[in-house]
Formats: sequence, structure tokens, C-alpha cells
Amino acid sequence: DIQLTQSPSFLSASVGDRVTITCRASQGINNDLVWYQQKPGKAPELLIYAASILQSGVPSSFSGSGSGTEFTLTISRLQPEDFATYYCQQLNNYPYTFGQGTKLEIK
Amino acid sequence: QVQLQGSGPGLVKPSETLSLTCTVSGGTVISGSYYWTWIRQPPGKGLEWIGYIYYTGNTNYNPSLNSRVTISMDRNMNQFSLRLNSVTAADTAVYYCAREVLCRDGSCHANYYGLDVWGQGTTVTVSS
Repeated sequence: DIQLTQSPSFLSASVGDRVTITCRASQGINNDLVWYQQKPGKAPELLIYAASILQSGVPSSFSGSGSGTEFTLTISRLQPEDFATYYCQQLNNYPYTFGQGTKLEIK
Repeated sequence: QVQLQGSGPGLVKPSETLSLTCTVSGGTVISGSYYWTWIRQPPGKGLEWIGYIYYTGNTNYNPSLNSRVTISMDRNMNQFSLRLNSVTAADTAVYYCAREVLCRDGSCHANYYGLDVWGQGTTVTVSS
């Protein structure tokens, strides 16, 4: 299975900050990576697919980049509603796998 | 707008079978544009992909569960279902049904668009 490692696992930041989350794959996955946001007690929501394409309705403050084994999710200016847990998922190989998650908390 | 609604027992005894159903509204499961998928999340932990069913009946399962899992589809009821045999406490989780997009706006790419619609999640506890 392809392992995805997210860093950091926990991130403390303030409203208005710019933050970056990294997702590293154990082998090359082209750009077959998506990002989700999950709030407590809720299902995940799709933010970005194909590593860098914003899902319809997602604020432009979110952006993704990367290819191969290293990917990043950046939130350019944190809003209160952005504090949540973020997961990457690879779609390159079955079984699909997820990163362990990055919990973004308010400082 | 497509919505997914999961349902099923919240408590299952060890060694028995977990059975969940996902009802699709606002769309049809008989579509070549989607894989109908199950994901689970143990308490306080991350996400695990269980598998999917395509409208043709083709399925693909996570090998870690392969021998215990079955995903099926009821076209008449516009539903798809999950069965997991011989459950243990390790199968305690929130189970999500979701839709993986294969085709969008006439453009089709497998393994590209991700899971764009999710059900609300069904909490299943395995305990005697």
C-alpha cells in the first residue's frame, strides 16, 4: 500500500495567518492526490483534486501544489471556519489510502 | 443536488455481520460517472477506504478487509450496501458512504476527481 505522511500532525495558528500542510507519499503518485477538510462530527468535504484543482465552491484562499511524492495544501489567510482537520488521499493505486490527518487549531 | 443517507444498526455483536445501506437521492446509482464507495473512521482516528461498487456490479475492496467485505447495489431502491462479516471491536467506527467522481462535464478520468459527496456517517459499535 502507498503510505501518506502528513506534517505537521498538529498546527496552531491565528486568524489571518498563512499555513501550509505537507503530504508525502511513499512512492510517486503523479498528481493523483486530493485534500479534504473535516470538522468535528461531520463527514469530510472535498477541497482540492488532482493535487491543485479547487473543487467548486471552495474559497480561493485554499490552494494545492505538488507532484510525484510531495504535495502541499496552503491556506493563504485563515478564517475562523478553517479550523478543522485536513486529510490527503492518494488515488494512484488501490487500495486508496489517506494521510493520518493534520489538526489545525486556533492559537 | 445529490444526497447520500446512510442507515443501519448502531450496535453489532462480535463475530456477527455489520450491514449498512446508503440511499441516494437527487441522482441515480445507475451511472457510469461514479463509484459508490464506503469509508470508515475509528473513534479519534483517520480514514480508511473500504471499497466501491460500480453500476455494472464491479467491485473493488481493500485487501485488508477483502475476505470479510461485500458491497452490493439495489438499482430499484437506488441504494448500495455494505456487509462486513465476523466483526470485532476493531471494526467499531463511523462508516461513511460517498460518491467518487469518474466523469465531470463530459470529461472522464478515473482516479482523479475524488469523493465529492458524502453521507452523514453511521456510528457502529461492536460490543456484546
